[in-house]
Amino acid sequence: QVRLQESGPGLARPSETLSLTCNVSGGSTAYYYWHWVRQHPGRGLDWIGRIYYTGGTSYNPSLTSRLTISLDTPKNQFTLRLMSLTAADTATYYCARSPSGSPRVYFDAWGQGILVTVSS
Amino acid sequence: DFQLTQSPSSVSASVGDTVTIKCRASHSVRNWLAWYQQKPGTAPKLLISAASDLAGGVPSRFSGSGSGTDFTLTISSLQPEDFATYYCQEASSFPLTFGGGTKVEIK
Repeated sequence: QVRLQESGPGLARPSETLSLTCNVSGGSTAYYYWHWVRQHPGRGLDWIGRIYYTGGTSYNPSLTSRLTISLDTPKNQFTLRLMSLTAADTATYYCARSPSGSPRVYFDAWGQGILVTVSS
Repeated sequence: DFQLTQSPSSVSASVGDTVTIKCRASHSVRNWLAWYQQKPGTAPKLLISAASDLAGGVPSRFSGSGSGTDFTLTISSLQPEDFATYYCQEASSFPLTFGGGTKVEIK
């Protein structure tokens, strides 16, 4: 059974760049899409972006100018880089998986989430 | 902008009750809608995809219906472990969108 685990800093400074990694174990990254979703404290879920196992990406337009998602296939992990952080980026960040082979996007596996606080 | 509107935002119910949660899309999404359950401090869990297909391991007391713009999640015979927040998610266009959530609380 696949397991996703986020890692990265719990505290980041305003204007800096956040880098989070999602490690995928118990399965391959092949033939899936790999996503980042965030949840502001006490709020709902916001889709950040995704990367396909071949490297193609799609980003939320609200974050495109600050966002990069990359995939390291040999290490079975993918990474989020979010630049120019503000307090509004304080959230729990989840990595998640959706199967390919269908235009429908459903998240069938999730990491446990990592709380990132942006503060000086 | 595309929107998913859930109602109610919260509902109080007792064990054994039937709970109905609505999700309305601002334009048709055919049946490309999912439902998730999230308990405090944990990640969301997929309950239903394609509006009505139960995900593996999900109890049959959960059911989904609807197409186009109006969808329903029904929880029959509510169990203690069902008290959680439920989200709908549109699965057909980008950026992917979630509803605002419905919190099911113990009465």
